[in-house]
Amino acid sequence: KNEVEQSPQNLTAQEGEFITINCSYSVGISALHWLQQHPGGGIVSLFMLSSGKKKHGRLIATINIQEKHSSLHITASHPRDSAVYICAAQENYGGSQGNLIFGKGTKLSVKP
Amino acid sequence: DAGVIQSPRHEVTEMGQEVTLRCKPISGHNSLFWYRQTMMRGLELLIYFNNNVPIDDSGMPEDRFSAKMPNASFSTLKIQPSEPRDSAVYFCASSFRGRLYGYTFGSGTRLTVV
Repeated sequence: KNEVEQSPQNLTAQEGEFITINCSYSVGISALHWLQQHPGGGIVSLFMLSSGKKKHGRLIATINIQEKHSSLHITASHPRDSAVYICAAQENYGGSQGNLIFGKGTKLSVKP
Repeated sequence: DAGVIQSPRHEVTEMGQEVTLRCKPISGHNSLFWYRQTMMRGLELLIYFNNNVPIDDSGMPEDRFSAKMPNASFSTLKIQPSEPRDSAVYFCASSFRGRLYGYTFGSGTRLTVV
């Protein structure tokens, strides 16, 4: 079983729709990261969460530490949001403290 | 700040050749990570340095892979000899350990071994 699970793997939406991507993890973490990777490959850090909720523009990230679950929401989606969204758990124990364990990613395609 | 700088962006090499990937982390960051991304396995940690010292290299596939960080501003990942199954995108990332600062990723090096 993967330590970080994302769903769905693929998501197609119409422009304007509200989008939710989910992430569950089984390891002890010091933080949970959401990353965005566009075609062409660059990885951009969107959010780093240790509790509660963060908002940046149309993007909202939430985390429930007790349930070991995080969600990324996109409001009023736009074709430029099309990318792979990756959830990553930052370990908080032992020699690997600080290392990221990645989910497989969710490929989002927003149609005009 | 120019961010994490990786070179080269693309590398095509023949099987058996030595390949060296380079990374310059963000100034002031004291943790540096090398990750590999493939379609099959996604992103995986290869090795992790803290204050230039390798902390966890359990992800290094085999002895053909080696990584060094001679100073705080430079790291290399070397593959010798390279094999076709090493074809992947290799990312370098840096962060400041001990604080909840984000990670910054380089643009990656796309390696193709033919």
